[in-house]
Amino acid sequence: SQQGEEDPQALSIQEGENATMNCSYKTSINNLQWYRQNSGRGLVHLILIRSNEREKHSGRLRVTLDTSKKSSSLLITASRAADTASYFCALYGGATNKLIFGTGTLLAVQP
Amino acid sequence: EPEVTQTPSHQVTQMGQEVILRCVPISNHLYFYWYRQILGQKVEFLVSFYNNEISEKSEIFDDQFSVERPDGSNFTLKIRSTKLEDSAMYFCASKAGGSWGEQFFGPGTRLTVL
Repeated sequence: SQQGEEDPQALSIQEGENATMNCSYKTSINNLQWYRQNSGRGLVHLILIRSNEREKHSGRLRVTLDTSKKSSSLLITASRAADTASYFCALYGGATNKLIFGTGTLLAVQP
Repeated sequence: EPEVTQTPSHQVTQMGQEVILRCVPISNHLYFYWYRQILGQKVEFLVSFYNNEISEKSEIFDDQFSVERPDGSNFTLKIRSTKLEDSAMYFCASKAGGSWGEQFFGPGTRLTVL
């Protein structure tokens, strides 16, 4: 299955701490994307990393990709209560146009 | 900033009824998608649409489902005879041609089948 598996399933941290979420997958990809979803709301695109990239930054977000291990991580630095949400990795295979979403990590940032 | 819009935000229907979920993708985008998310579960791909035809569909997208782009701006998902298990959040997404896969999602329509 191409599905991304994320861990941890849930993560609770204090404001100001860093949060790290991991995504593993099984097949080759064109790129990997991370999305955020606030409870019951839509999906917000955070960052896209291509298969030939190893690391990417956007503000407080840092994404790494290791295609040899078929894994990616999302690091949120200096977390804020407003970062509380579910975070999903999504695989884009290129041969098809669809995104395959992972199972998600529920992040709770305590003020 | 351009965004994908969806209407209605919440639709309640009786089992067996037909529903149409509407989406207005970003205007210069060429690829259109529907995904769904059953409460507490992951987001699942339903169908992709390009050049006025379905380019890919999942096993979920059976004969009860159809999509249409009737007027060059709207993109609709029709469920002909709803079932209880169709209750979910339905997301529309669009993508510009030639991009690497960044899809822009709408806020979703929560469908409740009673």
